[in-house]
Amino acid sequence: KQEVTQIPAALSVPEGENLVLNCSFTDSAIYNLQWFRQDPGKGLTSLLLIQSSQREQTSGRLNASLDKSSGRSTLYIAASQPGDSATYLCAVMEYGNKLVFGAGTILRVKS
Amino acid sequence: DAGVIQSPRHEVTEMGQEVTLRCKPISGHNSLFWYRQTMMRGLELLIYFNNNVPIDDSGMPEDRFSAKMPNASFSTLKIQPSEPRDSAVYFCASSLAWTGTGIATNEKLFFGSGTQLSVL
Repeated sequence: KQEVTQIPAALSVPEGENLVLNCSFTDSAIYNLQWFRQDPGKGLTSLLLIQSSQREQTSGRLNASLDKSSGRSTLYIAASQPGDSATYLCAVMEYGNKLVFGAGTILRVKS
Repeated sequence: DAGVIQSPRHEVTEMGQEVTLRCKPISGHNSLFWYRQTMMRGLELLIYFNNNVPIDDSGMPEDRFSAKMPNASFSTLKIQPSEPRDSAVYFCASSLAWTGTGIATNEKLFFGSGTQLSVL
């Protein structure tokens, strides 16, 4: 059974810092990996999607990498801002169009 | 597009009552998912549909839970009878990932705002 783990569970950084969130998964037979953002009381918003044949994707200050063979992904946030404060979740798509989620990393960026 | 629309946003009910959650996926999307989120268990997939057909309901916790998708623009998740341990946020999500013969691996998943369910 696929298990997705995210480290750290929570992170607090001063504004302007670059930071890395980590995600690991146990079964490398995935179609893609997605990073989501969730604000309190809201639904999830997809940030980046990396297909299994790709190594990374970038969107603005966000960069996500994927090492499928080792079962790892990282989300890099450059020059963090208070507006980046949210919970970040990674999820892997496995056979059958199913997304399995990690527990998330709660990020707080202090101004 | 208005996105994935869920109703109600909040539901408070008493143990034993029937609860029906509703979802309208993004127009044109052909895969629909129901997730449940709790602090203890995180996000759990309950059931998903491709082209209105239930594909995997192995995440449905008990027979008290049922889901239907009568057409491409509407789905319901019903709990009967409800219990306090069903209290959670229930999310509906949709995507274009199902091609009819396989999976489009570059399609993102779009979530609704969720229904906060409290069973007293």
